[in-house]
Amino acid sequence: SQKIEQNSEALNIQEGKTATLTCNYTNYSPAYLQWYRQDPGRGPVFLLLIRENEKEKRKERLKVTFDTTLKQSLFHITASQPADSATYLCALGSLFSGGYNKLIFGAGTRLAVHP
Amino acid sequence: EPEVTQTPSHQVTQMGQEVILRCVPISNHLYFYWYRQILGQKVEFLVSFYNNEISEKSEIFDDQFSVERPDGSNFTLKIRSTKLEDSAMYFCASSTGHEQFFGPGTRLTVL
Repeated sequence: SQKIEQNSEALNIQEGKTATLTCNYTNYSPAYLQWYRQDPGRGPVFLLLIRENEKEKRKERLKVTFDTTLKQSLFHITASQPADSATYLCALGSLFSGGYNKLIFGAGTRLAVHP
Repeated sequence: EPEVTQTPSHQVTQMGQEVILRCVPISNHLYFYWYRQILGQKVEFLVSFYNNEISEKSEIFDDQFSVERPDGSNFTLKIRSTKLEDSAMYFCASSTGHEQFFGPGTRLTVL
């Protein structure tokens, strides 16, 4: 069955450092991969999307890589700030003929950025 | 900035009762979804809805669940006879493309 794995342990880093989060998947060939941020008691918030034919995507301090051979995505936050503290979710999607796209989420990695 | 809204924010119900969770998707979006998240677990897909019909549903979305878009703005999830294990956060989402916009969620507590 399809499986998505993210670092299960919380990631603690110092302010200003780069946080790197990992998403691995098996038994799936996603057309694209997305990263979402989730704060406690809130809904996920979209951050970045990367397609299967793209290697890297950037948006401000965020960078995502996607290796379909390794079946892995890395999510980087550079110059991290305490406000970046949250749970980050990896989500895989496929294209369906109807155009909709069901997302399959990983369990998320909790990031804590300390001043 | 447009956002998805959900009501109520918290619903407490007795086992066996029917509940309706309400969502107002972003107005120009065409695709609508319900997800749920049991406390401490991952976000799970329940159902997708497009052009006034269900596009896909997961195994969780059994005969006790139904969705409806009763008018041009609301999108509802009904659970006919709630079970204890239905206790979770329920998120509505909408999209025009791959990026999905999630609402703040309804916390459902079944006693």
